[in-house]
Amino acid sequence: SSELTQPLSVSVAPGQTATIPCGGHDIGSHSVHWYHQRPGQAPVLVIYKDDQRPSGIPERFSGSNSGNTATLTISGAQAGDDGDYYCQLWDRSAYVFGTGTTVTVL
Amino acid sequence: EVRLEESGGGLVEPGGSLRLSCKVSGFSMSNARMSWVRQAPGKGLEWVARIKSKPEGGTADYAAAVKGRFVLSRDDSKNMVFLKTNSPKTEDTGVYFCTTILTGPFDNWGPGILVTVSS
Repeated sequence: SSELTQPLSVSVAPGQTATIPCGGHDIGSHSVHWYHQRPGQAPVLVIYKDDQRPSGIPERFSGSNSGNTATLTISGAQAGDDGDYYCQLWDRSAYVFGTGTTVTVL
Repeated sequence: EVRLEESGGGLVEPGGSLRLSCKVSGFSMSNARMSWVRQAPGKGLEWVARIKSKPEGGTADYAAAVKGRFVLSRDDSKNMVFLKTNSPKTEDTGVYFCTTILTGPFDNWGPGILVTVSS
């Protein structure tokens, strides 16, 4: 199955833009989903099918996917956006998660 | 509002057995795929198993790490899914999340239940 690589950590100043890449071979040919997890809590879906936002997710979250990289962008980051972010896709009869990125808003 | 609640976790010895339950409320899960995702302490998310809806055949698929040891089943009349963990290993320790799969991704998540495999 696919291996999805994410940077271990990303830091962003409040109000600035954070970009989180998710690398995988030909990931652009798959639908990619993104989850946000705060410590001690269950993950929450923030982007699905590359660039779709579920109801209730702020517009500052956006996604794109092409070639070998999918990207989650947080525009105008806020303190509550801290936590871990995971990309995920379905490939050859298995669901695969990325390695996860810890976002720090400081 | 869709809610999921896991139960049945706790301490189990290696080689023992444990059954996790997930109760769904707020919608009928009969046409939904259901899944379990786990997270070892301090680690990332790992998919465990998924079961299709009965109209789709009701079959289950498993991650390689648990195939042959875990069994996923569903009871739509009770709006519940069950994960039987046979012959658990210490590396099966972690928080287990029950999720729905309605449109492709893991849409809704339960709060999670801790399973500790230790002698």
